[in-house]
Amino acid sequence: QVQLVQSGAEVKNLGASVRVSCKASGYMFTKYGISWVRRAPGQGLEWLGWISIYNGNIKYARKFQGRVTLTTDTSTSTAYMELRSLGSDDTAVYYCARDQGAYSFNEFDFWGQGTLVTVTS
Amino acid sequence: QPELTQSPSASASLGASVRLTCTLAPGFSSYAIAWHQQRPDKGPRFLMKLNSDGSHNRGDGVPDRFSGSSSGADRYLTISSLQSDDEADYYCQTWGTGIHSLFGGGTRLTVL
Repeated sequence: QVQLVQSGAEVKNLGASVRVSCKASGYMFTKYGISWVRRAPGQGLEWLGWISIYNGNIKYARKFQGRVTLTTDTSTSTAYMELRSLGSDDTAVYYCARDQGAYSFNEFDFWGQGTLVTVTS
Repeated sequence: QPELTQSPSASASLGASVRLTCTLAPGFSSYAIAWHQQRPDKGPRFLMKLNSDGSHNRGDGVPDRFSGSSSGADRYLTISSLQSDDEADYYCQTWGTGIHSLFGGGTRLTVL
């Protein structure tokens, strides 16, 4: 069965960086994309970016452009999201999701369990 | 102007039916959407992909109590025979060149 297993909770200082991993199993990793989404306390879901495992294309939400980097390791079927220059408003649960789009955006049909990132001063 | 508009809240009684709405902005009325459910303190769960003609494909294990329909720019999620664990936040999602991928603001469903 399809599973996306994310790395554990992180506590970071203001201005630091965080890297979250998402290990996929149960499907052919290269045939889909991975999107990253977050939910901050009291807020809704917010899309950060998408990466095509097939051809390496990447798109970032304008809000996070220059501050987020998405990468993958196809040898371990793992996707990574790095967010830099953390502010207090980056405190959120971060999710990876399998994106049906191998070449472009599409619906998310499986989700990771989430990784809580807490930014402290 | 947000591309996807959802009512912030909805409520219905146990065993009843409820219809949630996601409205696409002008110019986007032909777009497909996806519905996702997020229960309290849980990760989101894909419910279905819903096309502009009302055809829909449910996710793995999603019961047929969850159905979708479309009318113009409106996309609907109908939940019948409401159960207590249907109490959750429901989000619509759409995607495309230029808009990338985005979510509506979510609807919090309370089961009375």
